[in-house]
Amino acid sequence: AQTVTQSQPEMSVQEAETVTLSCTYDTSESDYYLFWYKQPPSRQMILVIRQEAYKQQNATENRFSVNFQKAAKSFSLKISDSQLGDAAMYFCAYRSVSFGNEKLTFGTGTRLTIIP
Amino acid sequence: KAGVTQTPRYLIKTRGQQVTLSCSPISGHRSVSWYQQTPGQGLQFLFEYFSETQRNKGNFPGRFSGRQFSNSRSEMNVSTLELGDSALYLCASRNRAVNTEAFFGQGTRLTVV
Repeated sequence: AQTVTQSQPEMSVQEAETVTLSCTYDTSESDYYLFWYKQPPSRQMILVIRQEAYKQQNATENRFSVNFQKAAKSFSLKISDSQLGDAAMYFCAYRSVSFGNEKLTFGTGTRLTIIP
Repeated sequence: KAGVTQTPRYLIKTRGQQVTLSCSPISGHRSVSWYQQTPGQGLQFLFEYFSETQRNKGNFPGRFSGRQFSNSRSEMNVSTLELGDSALYLCASRNRAVNTEAFFGQGTRLTVV
């Protein structure tokens, strides 16, 4: 079974600064998907960024980028130019590419606070 | 395009009662998954429905069940409620042919007293 670990329960960063959230995972599969989801106080999970394991290039979405280290099974999220609206819980998630397997395995989350 | 809609947003039930939660997926999304979120256990996968059939199931007791209708709308039912069933229940939908990621609703907050 796959597991996802987020070792930082809480992080804080000054507005406009850069912060990195850590995520490690364990799997025996060679191909899979990794995601970062954001959950603000509204509770709705919002996709931040995704990475296909077969792609060596790290995904980037505007101010958000990942450092995907497949051999180390590490998938960290970097947020640049942090904004007040980035304050939320951030969850790292894993999904198998096996057809029909929709299960997302989530980490325990990191609560990110933005300091004005 | 409307997002994933979950109803109701909040529910208060008494131990021993049963409850039904509803999820309307994004138009065109035939895969609907359910998750339970609690402070102690985090986010846990309940089950997934595709084309009206349960395809995957998490490690939850039989009191948790679900179904999917021909229009892809899904319901989950919890019978004989326990205090520990208090949680945020999240629904997610995906178009397997188009999207890599799942799209989530705002959840239903269930409180069992």
